[in-house]
Amino acid sequence: DIVMTQSPDSLAVSLGERATINCKSSQSILYSSNNKNHLAWYQQRPGQPPKLLIYWASIRESGVPDRFSGSGSGTDFSLTISSLQAEDVAVYYCQQYYSTLPWTFGQGTRVEIK
Amino acid sequence: QVQLVESGGGVVQPGRSLRLSCATSGFTFSGFGMHWVRQAPGKGLEWVATISYGGHNDFYANSVKGRFTISRDNSNNTLYLQINSLSVEDTAVYYCAKDPRPRYSSGWYASWGQGTLVTVSS
Repeated sequence: DIVMTQSPDSLAVSLGERATINCKSSQSILYSSNNKNHLAWYQQRPGQPPKLLIYWASIRESGVPDRFSGSGSGTDFSLTISSLQAEDVAVYYCQQYYSTLPWTFGQGTRVEIK
Repeated sequence: QVQLVESGGGVVQPGRSLRLSCATSGFTFSGFGMHWVRQAPGKGLEWVATISYGGHNDFYANSVKGRFTISRDNSNNTLYLQINSLSVEDTAVYYCAKDPRPRYSSGWYASWGQGTLVTVSS
């Protein structure tokens, strides 16, 4: 199984400042047949189900604010919140969907306000 | 809009069985693959099971294989998860989730229900 490791486990950022979450896969999740990175990001606010933010590593889901962006390729990826808002307090998960099941999640990164 | 509503959770003793349901609306259920994902209290997300849009193919995490069965009733727009031989490690919120595109398993989970809590305790 592909192991997804996020860093840091938690971070505290001031309102309006940038937050960056890293996600590393145990093997490359860049699929040669479509030249796409098979990675998604989710946001889970307290007491809520996860919400899809990004897929194909950098494509924002419809309705997701443009302060959220995804980047990276191969084994190393990042989710950046360019200007943290109060409503962005949440746990963020990366998930790989490369090749066969199981599709696995990172352990999560908690984002708080400093 | 897409709605997924789970039910069937509760407190059950180890070794017992439970059937979870996910009632859906707002989309053509029979055209989309569906999934169950669980989250133990205070923990991360774990994929549990997947079923194809027609119901002919199903897949399971190793941790539940042989004990869990995913199924669907396309005439009633409902997804199910039969859970047998429950253990304390199965204590979690169980979410149903929908594929983003019809008749194709994209890999990410586009829509999620609110979840149903299963607590296994003697």
